[in-house]
Amino acid sequence: SQQGEEDPQALSIQEGENATMNCSYKTSINNLQWYRQNSGRGLVHLILIRSNEREKHSGRLRVTLDTSKKSSSLLITASRAADTASYFCATGGAAGNKLTFGGGTRVLVKP
Amino acid sequence: GAGVSQSPSNKVTEKGKDVELRCDPISGHTALYWYRQRLGQGLEFLIYFQGNSAPDKSGLPSDRFSAERTGESVSTLTIQRTQQEDSAVYLCASSSWTSGVSTDTQYFGPGTRLTVL
Repeated sequence: SQQGEEDPQALSIQEGENATMNCSYKTSINNLQWYRQNSGRGLVHLILIRSNEREKHSGRLRVTLDTSKKSSSLLITASRAADTASYFCATGGAAGNKLTFGGGTRVLVKP
Repeated sequence: GAGVSQSPSNKVTEKGKDVELRCDPISGHTALYWYRQRLGQGLEFLIYFQGNSAPDKSGLPSDRFSAERTGESVSTLTIQRTQQEDSAVYLCASSSWTSGVSTDTQYFGPGTRLTVL
């Protein structure tokens, strides 16, 4: 089974609304990363949060990490149609090691 | 180059044939990863190269899968005697290490879509 599980699996919102998705994982981690994927091809790195951090911001993105609950959330504020994509969380163990991905959240932002 | 490149972008093959997929990592990145993504699913780790260390092959699904890397540059993923369940997008990523410390961020290529008929 996969380390990270995203919730919800799919999300449909209107442009301008906020989108929130969650990720849960099972084992201890070094870091947790969020990626975006358009059209089922290359992944774009969005943000990395380390295990000793609780919150991180990047533009319209806000990521939280709760290691006691083994969960993370990604918030996209003021969504745009261009944010339509699949979003994946991935957990990293020891430094530089492989990433373990969840199944992703498909986000549709309607104009 | 500016980013990770992969070739071919698409590959259609017949069941039982061998295929070779290529990855060119970002110049200077010592770590290289291969992942597989089946339709509508997340990425599955296949194999990881870091410098001169022995590769981590723990994700390879069978002995039909193998990968090589030339120094700290190009890598090829080979699938022998392809099966229909091998159909997927194969993604390569690279990351950098500075002074023995990983930046952890992985940069992905566009992937190779493999279809086994």
